[in-house]
Amino acid sequence: GAGVSQSPSNKVTEKGKDVELRCDPISGHTALYWYRQSLGQGLEFLIYFQGNSAPDKSGLPSDRFSAERTGGSVSTLTIQRTQQEDSAVYLCASSSNRGQETQYFGPGTRLLVL
Amino acid sequence: DQQVKQNSPSLSVQEGRISILNCDYTNSMFDYFLWYKKYPAEGPTFLISISSIKDKNEDGRFTVFLNKSAKHLSLHIVPSQPGDSAVYFCAASARRSARQLTFGSGTQLTVLP
Repeated sequence: GAGVSQSPSNKVTEKGKDVELRCDPISGHTALYWYRQSLGQGLEFLIYFQGNSAPDKSGLPSDRFSAERTGGSVSTLTIQRTQQEDSAVYLCASSSNRGQETQYFGPGTRLLVL
Repeated sequence: DQQVKQNSPSLSVQEGRISILNCDYTNSMFDYFLWYKKYPAEGPTFLISISSIKDKNEDGRFTVFLNKSAKHLSLHIVPSQPGDSAVYFCAASARRSARQLTFGSGTQLTVLP
């Protein structure tokens, strides 16, 4: 079946602009995660959605970052007033969360803020 | 404060030999551990996992060992193949943290033909 998909694959924007990144999780997966990987770093947790519960936003680095998950499926990560330090690969993952802990990742969106 | 550490940024191994990738963690609440493999321009791909109730899990050429007392885990690849060349990330999660994964910084494995 289809894996996790993300769009766009690459995004170049100017400092101060807003960007939206999209994630389509694996069908039937109730848990959805956003991570980011800055150059030379490991993956950093940003936000977690589980079903209809309130999201765990504990990893968001600032209030410029927000995310939504509509209908329990597609998720959008929004970065307002982008800064150069926001440049990174943004990765989305999903899991079934029915006792299975494995998270399956999408290919990521490479964001470059000029 | 890095809770998951991969102290070797790179490792080179001859084809056919064993590759051993190491990972250390500090958070005693972690109870599930995973290894992911990542090729350039792709997302991480799940490789193998282990629960804290076990000390070994094997899947084909890949074996993960967990030493809870030392807070250490390792991934063994035998025999290593050139296609195994990738960045390997160790990750950990804790039941109380909604299963968010904490990743190490990765180890670049190069398998030489």
